[in-house]
Amino acid sequence: EDQVTQSPEALRLQEGESSSLNCSYTVSGLRGLFWYRQDPGKGPEFLFTLYSAGEEKEKERLKATLTKKESFLHITAPKPEDSATYLCAVLTYGSARQLTFGSGTQLTVLP
Amino acid sequence: KAGVTQTPRYLIKTRGQQVTLSCSPISGHRSVSWYQQTPGQGLQFLFEYFSETQRNKGNFPGRFSGRQFSNSRSEMNVSTLELGDSALYLCASRRETNTGELFFGEGSRLTVL
Repeated sequence: EDQVTQSPEALRLQEGESSSLNCSYTVSGLRGLFWYRQDPGKGPEFLFTLYSAGEEKEKERLKATLTKKESFLHITAPKPEDSATYLCAVLTYGSARQLTFGSGTQLTVLP
Repeated sequence: KAGVTQTPRYLIKTRGQQVTLSCSPISGHRSVSWYQQTPGQGLQFLFEYFSETQRNKGNFPGRFSGRQFSNSRSEMNVSTLELGDSALYLCASRRETNTGELFFGEGSRLTVL
């Protein structure tokens, strides 16, 4: 069974204090790993797709990286508007094309 | 380009009642998936429809059902509501089933009293 574990569950940062969120996965046959951002009371919003180990994607203050066992979402000099829950999900060849989501990391950036 | 639209946004029901939620996907997207999100369980997959056919189903009881119409719009129904059904129900669309890039609606917040 595919498993996705995110850590930490919650993270509080001061504005400008860089950090990383972790997403570790145990799957058979990774097709892709996806990062989403979810604001309170809204649906998740797609951020990145990573397909193979060593791949990196960047968007503004966010950078996602992928290894064979985990993915990191690096947040550089965060701002209060980066506060949200960040979800990772995996798509595998054996999953009947369904995503398996992690439980998320709730990020709070204090001004 | 209009996003995924879900109605109603909020609703309150009592135990034993039934509820129908509606979802209009992004134009051109033929796949519609439904998820239940609760603080304790996170995002859990309910089912996916593609071209009016149910493609996959998660581990939910038969009280949860859905359908998709020829215009790709989808509905999900929950019968005999239980307190534990209180959750945010999210609909997501994607153009094809090979991609993990889902476009979510804002959800329907169901409270069961």
